[in-house]
Amino acid sequence: RKEVEQDPGPFNVPEGATVAFNCTYSNSASQSFFWYRQDCRKEPKLLMSVYSSGNEDGRFTAQLNRASQYISLLIRDSKLSDSATYLCVVNVDSSYKLIFGSGTRLLVRP
Amino acid sequence: GAVVSQHPSRVICKSGTSVKIECRSLDFQATTMFWYRQFPKQSLMLMATSNEGSKATYEQGVEKDKFLINHASLTLSTLTVTSAHPEDSSFYICSASEGQGLASQHFGDGTRLSIL
Repeated sequence: RKEVEQDPGPFNVPEGATVAFNCTYSNSASQSFFWYRQDCRKEPKLLMSVYSSGNEDGRFTAQLNRASQYISLLIRDSKLSDSATYLCVVNVDSSYKLIFGSGTRLLVRP
Repeated sequence: GAVVSQHPSRVICKSGTSVKIECRSLDFQATTMFWYRQFPKQSLMLMATSNEGSKATYEQGVEKDKFLINHASLTLSTLTVTSAHPEDSSFYICSASEGQGLASQHFGDGTRLSIL
């Protein structure tokens, strides 16, 4: 079983739509959680950290459910520029080692 | 914001060649740098953790004699793929940590390596 699992998609949505991605992780000792965005053939960039109480940054909302070992990302009012691959990332210990999911691809169409 | 520069961005070479990739932190000192590899449609996989002034820590399954890492200064780590073969073709990405928290890992823009 992969340490971090994501639906690869693609999710194909119209501009303005709301879309949600889910991610599960296998290690209950995981401590920190992130969503990164990766554009085609580019490096990943931090989108947002995920906190236990849930957190929001503009159109993006992240949720964490430790009991179910589940993380989500909600994007409201999708823009064409949101088209990318969204990576769920987990850290298990304090060594800075990040474990990446294989990503969920989002395509926002006009 | 903090910038990590990776060079070269693209390499195409013959099988058997050794290839060196540089990762530099441009405006901060990086006590720790990380090297990842990403095959098409797959996740980034950590290859090794590079610590300034000491030996790198390799992940399970990564050959340390094949992938040589040197972190001689607080702003530079290098990854050398020795005697590269077509199966080594991949996207190699480094990241550098300012040491202030996990979110402070900054990624280089990657090196696309193609071995013919």
